[in-house]
Amino acid sequence: IAGITQAPTSQILAAGRRMTLRCTQDMRHNAMYWYRQDLGLGLRLIHYSNTAGTTGKGEVPDGYSVSRANTDDFPLTLASAVPSQTSVYFCASSRTSGGNNEQFFGPGTRLTVL
Amino acid sequence: GQNIDQPTEMTATEGAIVQINCTYQTSGFNGLFWYQQHAGEAPTFLSYNVLDGLEEKGRFSSFLSRSKGYSYLLLKELQMKDSASYLCAVSDSNYQLIWGAGTKLIIKP
Repeated sequence: IAGITQAPTSQILAAGRRMTLRCTQDMRHNAMYWYRQDLGLGLRLIHYSNTAGTTGKGEVPDGYSVSRANTDDFPLTLASAVPSQTSVYFCASSRTSGGNNEQFFGPGTRLTVL
Repeated sequence: GQNIDQPTEMTATEGAIVQINCTYQTSGFNGLFWYQQHAGEAPTFLSYNVLDGLEEKGRFSSFLSRSKGYSYLLLKELQMKDSASYLCAVSDSNYQLIWGAGTKLIIKP
């Protein structure tokens, strides 16, 4: 692994189903983030983790949950998917959560909820 | 509320210079980032400004005025591969990034 990976690349999901988006980084970064990107809108933060074992809510956390059991992995779970969760989801990481730390992004997961 | 404004779309000619503006109103300021995002790909880091002034990095430069809540990204000697969206993001008082919707830059030969 080099950098940050996400799985799956894309997914079509029936409404009401549970889905976990996976994110793994091998850069030993402390901070990790989940964003959604919708046409005409900026990236919106869903959840974040400043270090392993801690998580926090971002701008649009409703309907999503995360866990950070170790440094490398930061899965995002949709407990019961709804069509408004159709989006492109990006996972990102940074060395720390400080202001001058650039975020590195995974390739994204394109999710469609029908 | 927090707000980042940038033009939706701009068009420029190969070999020319283009300036993409970004204005912001945020709760606190811990720096401003510019990212590049090609269609269907992930954003990639271009620049970071936390002090007023111009930061130059090859063909790309970024300027910041904190008193005016204003930044711009200057791209020189435009190449076709520069066709992409350019995202402005501000690190707020909680060190969370607030993102603009992005400026789609179209380069014509």
